[in-house]
Amino acid sequence: AQRVTQPEKLLSVFKGAPVELKCNYSYSGSPELFWYVQYSRQRLQLLLRHISRESIKGFTADLNKGETSFHLKKPFAQEEDSAMYYCALRTGSGNTGKLIFGQGTTLQVKP
Amino acid sequence: DAGVTQSPTHLIKTRGQQVTLRCSPKSGHDTVSWYQQALGQGPQFIFQYYEEEERQRGNFPDRFSGHQFPNYSSELNVNALLLGDSALYLCASSLKLANEKLFFGSGTQLSVL
Repeated sequence: AQRVTQPEKLLSVFKGAPVELKCNYSYSGSPELFWYVQYSRQRLQLLLRHISRESIKGFTADLNKGETSFHLKKPFAQEEDSAMYYCALRTGSGNTGKLIFGQGTTLQVKP
Repeated sequence: DAGVTQSPTHLIKTRGQQVTLRCSPKSGHDTVSWYQQALGQGPQFIFQYYEEEERQRGNFPDRFSGHQFPNYSSELNVNALLLGDSALYLCASSLKLANEKLFFGSGTQLSVL
């Protein structure tokens, strides 16, 4: 079965603390993983994708095929990072497969 | 660039009724995908339209249908509404079927009473 699991509904940290948002996936094919973010009163938007191996707003995520995980990390959280984060898995061949989203994790960064 | 626009923003219907939701993609995009987001859940893929044809479909019954027009805008139709159809319906656009970077609209909040 194709599935994305985000085990934490809410993650609360203090400003300056490290952040790790967990994402695990289940997929028999070659996975492509994404993190989408929704800030308060804004639209859902792409944060980063594993194939780019990029760092966006200080966030990074590494695909671990052995552990079937794609955790999102940031060494020092900022208050503006408070948002809802969704991990997504693209299934199918090429770049046209549908996205399967996890249930999302709310990140709350306290001052 | 207004980005992806959806209408209406809110809608209230009763069980058994039919509803049509509308979406205009971001300028330059030709592919539209629809997602259903129930309260407390992540978006769930309904279907995708490209070149006026349904290209992919998720696990949704035939009560959910769609259409894409020559100007790339799209409609989502739901027949015989059920209470469980109450959700936020999101439209996302992209270019040439690619799902690497989806641009989402603000959604239509549908309440079925």
